[in-house]
Amino acid sequence: EAQVTQNPRYLITVTGKKLTVTCSQNMNHEYMSWYRQDPGLGLRQIYYSMNVEVTDKGDVPEGYKVSRKEKRNFPLILESPSPNQTSLYFCASRAGTSGASSYNEQFFGPGTRLTVL
Amino acid sequence: EDQVTQSPEALRLQEGESSSLNCSYTVSGLRGLFWYRQDPGKGPEFLFTLYSAGEEKEKERLKATLTKKESFLHITAPKPEDSATYLCAVRHNAGNNRKLIWGLGTSLAVNP
Repeated sequence: EAQVTQNPRYLITVTGKKLTVTCSQNMNHEYMSWYRQDPGLGLRQIYYSMNVEVTDKGDVPEGYKVSRKEKRNFPLILESPSPNQTSLYFCASRAGTSGASSYNEQFFGPGTRLTVL
Repeated sequence: EDQVTQSPEALRLQEGESSSLNCSYTVSGLRGLFWYRQDPGKGPEFLFTLYSAGEEKEKERLKATLTKKESFLHITAPKPEDSATYLCAVRHNAGNNRKLIWGLGTSLAVNP
């Protein structure tokens, strides 16, 4: 089954304790992305990756890091989480990175609900 | 300023009562408009992509249409299982081709 998986699904942590949210897709997609979703603000892109070893900032990258060492995986790293990073996080992927293929549908993971105390 | 506005914020319908959701956009050079459905506690699920004014797409009870300023998601004879938040997103020329502008969504509730 084609899917994007995220782990953990729920996480409660404390300020300053480094954490990683994993994301994996089994569709051989080039493009992967991280979003956060907050009430009243909607979906906002954190980072994206066009392919292995190619990453770039989205709209709200501060306080986050990413890496893309393998095509299927795109982990999100919070080096020193703060309460304002409490949010619902989604990983997404799609095939293609240019031209007509950039209109391809994005497949979203199930989400990770993060609470930073 | 490039933006996407969805209305209404929330809509409650009786089963079988048809209606429309609106997504209006102000962007320079539309390159694609996307509709997604999001169920509570889940990630958005792709519904449609529209590329140019006049285009229409259908899927079961849903029909999406596009003009130069807005898109409508028409829901015909909705069922309770159509209850969800419907999100609209736009890709445009002036922005990075890899990014989208998302609306805040319309929360739809269909009562049996």
